[in-house]
Amino acid sequence: AQSVTQPDIHITVSEGASLELRCNYSYGATPYLFWYVQSPGQGLQLLLKYFSGDTLVQGIKGFEAEFKRSQSSFNLRKPSVHWSDAAEYFCAVGYSSASKIIFGSGTRLSIRP
Amino acid sequence: NAGVTQTPKFQVLKTGQSMTLQCAQDMNHEYMSWYRQDPGMGLRLIHYSVGAGITDQGEVPNGYNVSRSTTEDFPLRLLSAAPSQTSVYFCASSYVPATSLADTQYFGPGTRLTVL
Repeated sequence: AQSVTQPDIHITVSEGASLELRCNYSYGATPYLFWYVQSPGQGLQLLLKYFSGDTLVQGIKGFEAEFKRSQSSFNLRKPSVHWSDAAEYFCAVGYSSASKIIFGSGTRLSIRP
Repeated sequence: NAGVTQTPKFQVLKTGQSMTLQCAQDMNHEYMSWYRQDPGMGLRLIHYSVGAGITDQGEVPNGYNVSRSTTEDFPLRLLSAAPSQTSVYFCASSYVPATSLADTQYFGPGTRLTVL
């Protein structure tokens, strides 16, 4: 069965430090991959998505993610985090045959001043 | 353009009560979905619709009903509320399938439901 794993439940980084959030997926074919961000009390906002082509995807708010087929990974990165990046981040995988997206369990990001 | 709206924001029910969570979008989106979010479990798809009159089950449909009589509205009905349905519910919509490169899935602000 298709699944998405985010191995880190909670990560704390210092403001200005770099960030990498991990995501691994299980899917037979090339997946459609997404990263969403959820600020406290808010709905989800799409950061970026990968469908095909260049494996390094640029998103909003200075985020990027790299698709690595050999590792079944789609890790999210940001070179320098800001206090406003504190939120919960969800990785998700989609299927081309249906309007379904499967979400990971999320990683909560805290920023240390 | 209000985007995706959900009402109510908060609701407390007693076990066995029924209620309807409302979701509306003004973007003329064909695709709408309902998710529930529980701690440590991410979002799980309850039901989705690919257009007016067409609905299908997601991962966790039991205990919930949906209908889609108009493009704009996609209500979620709890038939007989149970404590296990305590959760935050999100509605989402998109013009094309959420898996399409051509569009983005937009989420509502959520409804926090507590069943006692």
